[in-house]
Amino acid sequence: DSGVTQTPKHLITATGQRVTLRCSPRSGDLSVYWYQQSLDQGLQFLIQYYNGEERAKGNILERFSAQQFPDLHSELNLSSLELGDSALYFCASGLAADGEQFFGPGTRLTVL
Amino acid sequence: QQQVKQSPQSLIVQKGGIPIINCAYENTAFDYFPWYQQFPGKGPALLIAIRPDVSEKKEGRFTISFNKSAKQFSLHIMDSQPGDSATYFCAASTASKLTFGTGTRLQVTL
Repeated sequence: DSGVTQTPKHLITATGQRVTLRCSPRSGDLSVYWYQQSLDQGLQFLIQYYNGEERAKGNILERFSAQQFPDLHSELNLSSLELGDSALYFCASGLAADGEQFFGPGTRLTVL
Repeated sequence: QQQVKQSPQSLIVQKGGIPIINCAYENTAFDYFPWYQQFPGKGPALLIAIRPDVSEKKEGRFTISFNKSAKQFSLHIMDSQPGDSATYFCAASTASKLTFGTGTRLQVTL
């Protein structure tokens, strides 16, 4: 158990809808990262927040957004969902702005 | 230039064997190279990591070998066990953005 928690574990929704995925980092970690894992694209970095501020951006679609709150938990918002957004979404956390990243158990999103 | 190439795609070894998974990168700005282990339905778990100023690092049965001039690094699993059967990902990082390899599915048979 990495100490990173993610909710919900599974999410099934329809195309065009909007969902919110939640992540609580390990105690003391200031960085939160979001990744998408799909069969065709593998593990892709989406975005990083460090102590409430956006720090790095990867292959994140404009329909996706994230934020990190003062208590350091983070939410990933996915809107106008498409079939291709079906994937596992992982949150990771780390103490520093770079270095070790510890992954949560993931949220499996299915868009029908 | 951001790619990390990982091979083989899958690997079957007998218990006690030493599976070796290789990764290669192009971007010389990468400065941190972790390996992750992932079981079905679980998140990737950090196994071991190395920085480019070191050529080898051992933690338990896991060893990373790093060749900076060749821009290659590899994971060796000593005395492999059936419980090591999982997917292994190499990764490389610069400024905290991890770029992952495509994964190697390892099966350790009895």
